[in-house]
Amino acid sequence: AIRITQSPSSLSASTGDRVTITCRASQGISSYLAWYQQKPGKAPKLLIYAASTLQSGVPSRFSGSGSGTDFTLTISCLQSEDFATYYCQQYYSYPWGLTFGGGTKVEIK
Amino acid sequence: EVQLVESGGGLVQPGRSLRLSCTASGFTFGDYAMSWVRQAPGKGLEWVGFIRSKAYGGTTEYAASVKGRFTISRDDSKSIAYLQMNSLKTEDTAVYYCTRQGEGWFEDWGQGTLVTVSS
Repeated sequence: AIRITQSPSSLSASTGDRVTITCRASQGISSYLAWYQQKPGKAPKLLIYAASTLQSGVPSRFSGSGSGTDFTLTISCLQSEDFATYYCQQYYSYPWGLTFGGGTKVEIK
Repeated sequence: EVQLVESGGGLVQPGRSLRLSCTASGFTFGDYAMSWVRQAPGKGLEWVGFIRSKAYGGTTEYAASVKGRFTISRDDSKSIAYLQMNSLKTEDTAVYYCTRQGEGWFEDWGQGTLVTVSS
């Protein structure tokens, strides 16, 4: 199974900061990576797929990059509503063995 | 607007069975593959399984952790996906989400239903 290592597991930031979260796959997965945002008590929400394609309705301050084994989610100017937990997910092996990173909790500094 | 509403969760004893339902609206249900994803309390996300659309055979795939115990099915006439869970274990305790499948990613999510496996 393809393992995804997400880092950091948590971070503290202030409104207006630039935030970067990374995911590393245990083998090359081309651009088959998605990012999700989850707020407490709510379902995850798709932000980005194909490593860098923004889902409809997602603010442009969110961006994704990378291919192969290393990927990045960047929030260019953190807003209050962005404090949440973020997950990456690989689908290189779709539909078998879809796997998520462990999550990154973005907290208020 | 896409809506996915899960139901059927609750408290169940180890070894027993439970069936979850996911009622969909706002899209042509039969055209899409559907997945179930779960989240144990305070933990991350885990893909459970997947059912293809009828156009692709309506066949299923499962995570190793549930294969042989869980079964996903669908009723396109009612726009409902099901997750039949047998031989439940305490480690199956989680919020179970129904998702509309994109081309590998999980495009839309229901609100989730909590399954607690405990004696």
